[in-house]
Amino acid sequence: NAGVTQTPKFRILKIGQSMTLQCTQDMNHNYMYWYRQDPGMGLKLIYYSVGAGITDKGEVPNGYNVSRSTTEDFPLRLELAAPSQTSVYFCASSPGNTIYFGEGSWLTVV
Amino acid sequence: QKEVEQDPGPLSVPEGAIVSLNCTYSNSAFQYFMWYRQYSRKGPELLMYTYSSGNKEDGRFTAQVDKSSKYISLFIRDSQPSDSATYLCAMRSLVGVTGGGNKLTFGTGTQLKVEL
Repeated sequence: NAGVTQTPKFRILKIGQSMTLQCTQDMNHNYMYWYRQDPGMGLKLIYYSVGAGITDKGEVPNGYNVSRSTTEDFPLRLELAAPSQTSVYFCASSPGNTIYFGEGSWLTVV
Repeated sequence: QKEVEQDPGPLSVPEGAIVSLNCTYSNSAFQYFMWYRQYSRKGPELLMYTYSSGNKEDGRFTAQVDKSSKYISLFIRDSQPSDSATYLCAMRSLVGVTGGGNKLTFGTGTQLKVEL
């Protein structure tokens, strides 16, 4: 019963590097999301997808890209990492009512 | 003004106490209301889900929605040390599948500590 699986759990990046946060879900949910969570700021939506091949921007998309080639996978790409992208990233999926989260990926940009 | 306001705490209570956690919101279009529990270094976990006004009970947890006041609450009875976590309220409006993507608006979370 895996649910939403994110990798890596922890990562340190240097300024200007790029990386991809992986997310996969085994619940056959159509909706998938990427959020970032910063202290005192709550969860902010970066990108979301309503199905394979369909993605859209959330509140804070700058500096990120996503793709959704399959129902299961929704990777988040960070291009040219900046210190402002230091955060905890959560992938989530939804069947249409409630949202279920992964365990998070802690990213530090130095 | 934020769409959803939540007191960040921390809130410290003795074991066995009744805990009241609250959120206020400004968007009258919100129809669905959720409470998530988040332990340290973990993802948010869905606790309660309600639609429109009224109460919903699940074990020691009761979710209450007052749409006229734009106010939601989560009550925890007989609180336990294992309830120590951050509690996030979340809500969304009734939107179409392609138009809205079921996006949630979150409060910033209230940190709760239940002490022995």
